[in-house]
Amino acid sequence: AQKVTQAQTEISVVEKEDVTLDCVYETRDTTYYLFWYKQPPSGELVFLIRRNSFDEQNEISGRYSWNFQKSTSSFNFTITASQVVDSAVYFCALRDVSGSARQLTFGSGTQLTVLP
Amino acid sequence: NAGVTQTPKFQVLKTGQSMTLQCAQDMNHNSMYWYRQDPGMGLRLIYYSASEGTTDKGEVPNGYNVSRLNKREFSLRLESAAPSQTSVYFCASSRDREIYSNQPQHFGDGTRLSIL
Repeated sequence: AQKVTQAQTEISVVEKEDVTLDCVYETRDTTYYLFWYKQPPSGELVFLIRRNSFDEQNEISGRYSWNFQKSTSSFNFTITASQVVDSAVYFCALRDVSGSARQLTFGSGTQLTVLP
Repeated sequence: NAGVTQTPKFQVLKTGQSMTLQCAQDMNHNSMYWYRQDPGMGLRLIYYSASEGTTDKGEVPNGYNVSRLNKREFSLRLESAAPSQTSVYFCASSRDREIYSNQPQHFGDGTRLSIL
C-alpha cells in the first residue's frame, strides 16, 4: 500500500532563512505521481507542483525548488529566502496505480512558521 | 473564476441530525472528490466520482453518502451525524477522465463541521 511520511511536524525559521520540507513515500508501483500542496492559515489547499515518477529532473520556481530522488524515495521541497507569507501547512501527496485509482495519499503535513 | 465552491463554510450539528454538504466546480472537470481532514492525519478520501452518474468509495466512506447531481455538482450527505464525523471537509475536482492520470486536484475552501 502507498504511504507518505512527512516526519517534520512543525518547523520554525526566521525570515530570509532557507528551509527544506522532507517527504518520503512508499509505493510498489513504477509509475506514480507526487504532489505538493500548501494550506495557508485561511484554510484552502493550493496546488504547488506535480512530479511524474519517470521524470527525475529537479524543478525550480522562483524561491521554491523540489528535489526528487527515486533512489531514496524522497521528494523534498526547499523554500529559499523564506518570507512570512510562506507560513502554512505543506502537504506532500502520492498517487499510484495499485490503490484506489484516483486516491491521493497525503502525508500528515508540516506546519511551517516563518518569523519576521 | 470561482473554481471549486463549497457550502456551507461552517456548520454545527447535534448527534443524529442529517445534513448535506454542497460542492460545485466551474472548470468543466470530469472527476470530483470528497475528503476529510483531521488533525495530524492529512486528508483522507471519503468518496469520489469519475464522471457524472458514477461514484466510488474511498478510504473512509462509512457514515456518508454522495450524489453526483451533474457534471458540476457533487454533494456529501451525513444521514445521522456522529461526533466522530467532526472534521474539516474538502471537495476537489480534477480534469482527468482516465483511471490513471497525473492531473492535479483543485480544492475548495473547506467546510468546518462540528457535531455535538
